[in-house]
Amino acid sequence: KAGVTQTPRYLIKTRGQQVTLSCSPISGHRSVSWYQQTPGQGLQFLFEYFSETQRNKGNFPGRFSGRQFSNSRSEMNVSTLELGDSALYLCASSPDRTVGYTFGSGTRLTVV
Amino acid sequence: EDQVTQSPEALRLQEGESSSLNCSYTVSGLRGLFWYRQDPGKGPEFLFTLYSAGEEKEKERLKATLTKKESFLHITAPKPEDSATYLCAVQTSGSRLTFGEGTQLTVNP
Repeated sequence: KAGVTQTPRYLIKTRGQQVTLSCSPISGHRSVSWYQQTPGQGLQFLFEYFSETQRNKGNFPGRFSGRQFSNSRSEMNVSTLELGDSALYLCASSPDRTVGYTFGSGTRLTVV
Repeated sequence: EDQVTQSPEALRLQEGESSSLNCSYTVSGLRGLFWYRQDPGKGPEFLFTLYSAGEEKEKERLKATLTKKESFLHITAPKPEDSATYLCAVQTSGSRLTFGEGTQLTVNP
């Protein structure tokens, strides 16, 4: 059974650019959540999508956005990148929002 | 605001030396408490979900327990391969997980 797949694994971007990260959930999982992990702040919730609708949003600026497609695949976008956006971005999926979430290996974003 | 505090921040054990990790939480309406294990450069790996006070779950050398204010992850006779960061998270409204800072466990052979 394939796990949660995140692409790309590593990214280096320049300040001011924008970036799009992709997440393919486990087959049959309809809920996809995104988290940002940094050494100083730990794991912080960005947003969650279920059946193509954003159901929950964390305390991040509007530069962070996402979407979910009909096949449950999800993308998140960060516009006007700042140095502080350097982090490991993790995607997690769940069948129905009530059971444990399975995480992907993450995308390591470095902003220079 | 939901808060999760894990202690200790770091723990170093000798192989076979049992110990416990603590996760205390302040939430309004707990729907579930989760334990994850995270290895360097990887995403968190799901270990347990606990839903109500008094509940216990076990997996190999790990046992998780839950009270109304805290959860413990007991590690019995740990091995070097148990070295990792252990994360605790609570789920309250919707599907948002609020994580603690984690306990970095090192088990020396």
